Amino acid sequence: SYVLTQPPSVSVAPGQTARITCGGNNIGSKSVHWYQQKPGQAPVLVVYDDSDRPSGIPERFSGSNSGNTATLTISRVEAGDEADYYCQVWDSSSVVFGGGTKLTVL
Amino acid sequence: QVTLKESGPVLVKPTETLTLTCTVSGFSLSNARMGVSWIRQPPGKALEWLAHIFSNDEKSYSTSLKSRLTISKDTSKSQVVLTMTNMDPVDTATYYCARIRPYYDILTGYYIGAFDIWGQGTMVTVSS
Repeated sequence: SYVLTQPPSVSVAPGQTARITCGGNNIGSKSVHWYQQKPGQAPVLVVYDDSDRPSGIPERFSGSNSGNTATLTISRVEAGDEADYYCQVWDSSSVVFGGGTKLTVL
Repeated sequence: QVTLKESGPVLVKPTETLTLTCTVSGFSLSNARMGVSWIRQPPGKALEWLAHIFSNDEKSYSTSLKSRLTISKDTSKSQVVLTMTNMDPVDTATYYCARIRPYYDILTGYYIGAFDIWGQGTMVTVSS
């Protein structure tokens, strides 16, 4: 089965840029979606189809996908961005989530 | 406004069958290119996809849990129901339903898409 690998944690100072990676075999050939989950809340879609943003998601959130790594980039990080982030792809007719990355804003 | 809301028991005993209902509003389960998935999250752990059902009644299940899961929909009630048999304490988790608007992926020949709207989740504890 397909496996997505995320770093358990990423730390960044306010105003800096956070990059959260999602590794998978030839993931560049798949569409990657990213979700933000704050404590006690349901996940929220922040990037879909590698790099598109749903309405209402700030432009600070962007995504890229190539080769064996997809990346969620959060520019000008704010305290409110502190959350768990999950990547997701489809493997045939099944869904795969990454293990999640906890973003800490220092 | 599109919403999904999960409902079901808070506590189930080991070996019992869990039945969860997702009631949707703001869209119809009979609309073309619409679907609902069930996803769970054990306390402190990652998201795990369980199953989905599309408007054309196409269904798919997690390979590891397929023998225990059944997903169905009642379009007239705007509900998607998930049953999971033989519950175990390791199944203790928050269970979410989420909407998909699938599109055809010409590379794989499957319908895919992101989960654009999620329910608030319902916590289920398995304990005797």
